[in-house]
Amino acid sequence: ETGVTQTPRHLVMGMTNKKSLKCEQHLGHNAMYWYKQSAKKPLELMFVYNFKEQTENNSVPSRFSPECPNSSHLFLHLHTLQPEDSALYLCASSQVTARRGSYNEQFFGPGTRLTVL
Amino acid sequence: AQSVAQPEDQVNVAEGNPLTVKCTYSVSGNPYLFWYVQYPNRGLQFLLKYITGDNLVKGSYGFEAEFNKSQTSFHLKKPSALVSDSALYFCAVRDTLMNTGFQKLVFGTGTRLLVSP
Repeated sequence: ETGVTQTPRHLVMGMTNKKSLKCEQHLGHNAMYWYKQSAKKPLELMFVYNFKEQTENNSVPSRFSPECPNSSHLFLHLHTLQPEDSALYLCASSQVTARRGSYNEQFFGPGTRLTVL
Repeated sequence: AQSVAQPEDQVNVAEGNPLTVKCTYSVSGNPYLFWYVQYPNRGLQFLLKYITGDNLVKGSYGFEAEFNKSQTSFHLKKPSALVSDSALYFCAVRDTLMNTGFQKLVFGTGTRLLVSP
């Protein structure tokens, strides 16, 4: 559980606020991910950083802005969110052993429960 | 694109009885399959994976999964359920991003397992 940490664990924000979610991994991995988990829906992959380069952006609205300053830290900057953005946001990391990816398992943080009023 | 399906929203089982959580997959090529568990207010935890080899894969906490190619299934099993096994279980399959070749996980919708005393 302490391999991937996320702060804050809970966040309530208004639609006009700007906030950031933070993720840190202590596993020496080189790939990090943001997922959105909503009730009754599959986990949605939002962003992937592989070797600090963003390799995937699943048509995520621009009100979500990721930042990966190094291989251990990942941020998700939030601004002008909508109530439907309320969800559990999960960060994960994995070790990618080749440039074109690998099938090593991902390790998840506990998530940030976001509520947008 | 690769996908998995979890046909049951919820599975109920009495403590001490065997449990099965179902997953079927749809892939082109060889599947790389995973099971994760999510306890309340926690992130996802890796249970086990199938890459190649024996069709019966053993994982954490006494869980195992059986890969069945003819039925395109990868059901999660445990011989004797515990109340503490009550959680949300996710099946996942590796997919490859067309533009980058980077590999990611595609998750099912999850199955809630309730083990009664």
